[in-house]
Amino acid sequence: AQSVAQPEDQVNVAEGNPLTVKCTYSVSGNPYLFWYVQYPNRGLQFLLKYITGDNLVKGSYGFEAEFNKSQTSFHLKNPSALVSDSALYFCAVIPRGFQKLVFGTGTRLLVSP
Amino acid sequence: DGGITQSPKYLFRKEGQNVTLSCEQNLNHDAMYWYRQDPGQGLRLIYYSQIVNDFQKGDIAEGYSVSREKKESFPLTVTSAQKNPTAFYLCASTPGVGQYFGPGTRLTVL
Repeated sequence: AQSVAQPEDQVNVAEGNPLTVKCTYSVSGNPYLFWYVQYPNRGLQFLLKYITGDNLVKGSYGFEAEFNKSQTSFHLKNPSALVSDSALYFCAVIPRGFQKLVFGTGTRLLVSP
Repeated sequence: DGGITQSPKYLFRKEGQNVTLSCEQNLNHDAMYWYRQDPGQGLRLIYYSQIVNDFQKGDIAEGYSVSREKKESFPLTVTSAQKNPTAFYLCASTPGVGQYFGPGTRLTVL
């Protein structure tokens, strides 16, 4: 079965420090990979995606993610966290040949001043 | 939230009532989706439509119905058969790869 795992319910980091939000996946073939962010009572906003090519993908607001095929991971990173980055982050995949997104359960990022 | 609108933002329903959530997009996307979000469970797919006049059940379609009479519109009806409808509902559309999301509707059953 296709699945996405976000092993941490919450990540805590101090402002200015680097952050990592982990994501691993289990799908057949080479999937498309995505990160979305959700602020309270809002829809999901697209951050970045990996389709093909360079394994390091840069997205909005200083975020980046690295596709690691051997470890089936797509961890989200930011070198310097801001308090305003505090939100719920979702990793998602689309198996090749499908149009349905498979979501992880989300990781809450809390950046303290 | 792009060119996808959902209304209303908050909706209250009495038990036994059907309610319809609106989703409209002006992005000219063929495919549209409805998700349900519950705390700690991520997003679960209710229904999706890849083209006008066609739609498919997602993972949790029981108690819900949809229609796709126009490309721009994909309304979701939460019927009285849905046992636990209180949740945050998100609509999305896609031009191919990746999805754009609306702002969501929070439904509360009183």
